[in-house]
Amino acid sequence: GQSLEQPSEVTAVEGAIVQINCTYQTSGFYGLSWYQQHDGGAPTFLSYNGLDGLEETGRFSSFLSRSDSYGYLLLQELQMKDSASYFCAVRDQTGFQKLVFGTGTRLLVSP
Amino acid sequence: EAGVVQSPRYKIIEKKQPVAFWCNPISGHNTLYWYRQNLGQGPELLIRYENEEAVDDSQLPKDRFSAERLKGVDSTLKIQPAELGDSAVYLCASRELGSTDTQYFGPGTRLTVL
Repeated sequence: GQSLEQPSEVTAVEGAIVQINCTYQTSGFYGLSWYQQHDGGAPTFLSYNGLDGLEETGRFSSFLSRSDSYGYLLLQELQMKDSASYFCAVRDQTGFQKLVFGTGTRLLVSP
Repeated sequence: EAGVVQSPRYKIIEKKQPVAFWCNPISGHNTLYWYRQNLGQGPELLIRYENEEAVDDSQLPKDRFSAERLKGVDSTLKIQPAELGDSAVYLCASRELGSTDTQYFGPGTRLTVL
């Protein structure tokens, strides 16, 4: 099976940079994804890392190290609207290609 | 482009009553997922469809849950009878054939079982 660990909560101020870590245990691995979910809203896709290294999309970047079973989401120039929960997810290798989500990190951005 | 549509958005029922949720995925998306999300947790897969075929229902509690995706488009998830522990948000997501891990989620149905 798969298991993922994330910090439960992170706080930061507007304009700052914050890093949300994710460590995973898996019997097989086909990439790490990140999703954002505002309270009461739908999870929305942010990024995907299939290979080691950094992927950048605007203010958000995601990093993966397969040898360390570790990844992180980096959010720069934080804005109030970035207050949300962030989930990392790995693809399950039972053959059905389902996503297994972490428990999520709640990010609180203050003025 | 319209997103994933779900209804109802909220549902309150008493235990032992039946309930059904409906999902219309993004047009052209072959893969449809139903997830359950408990408060403070990540989504957990209940069932995955490829077109009209359920290819992964290993985590669907089949004694009380059922799902269908007639004609490979919209889908219905049913619970009968509901239990207190079924209170959660039920999310539907769809994915385009050939994409990596990008799933598009609907707003979900928040179910409260009293």
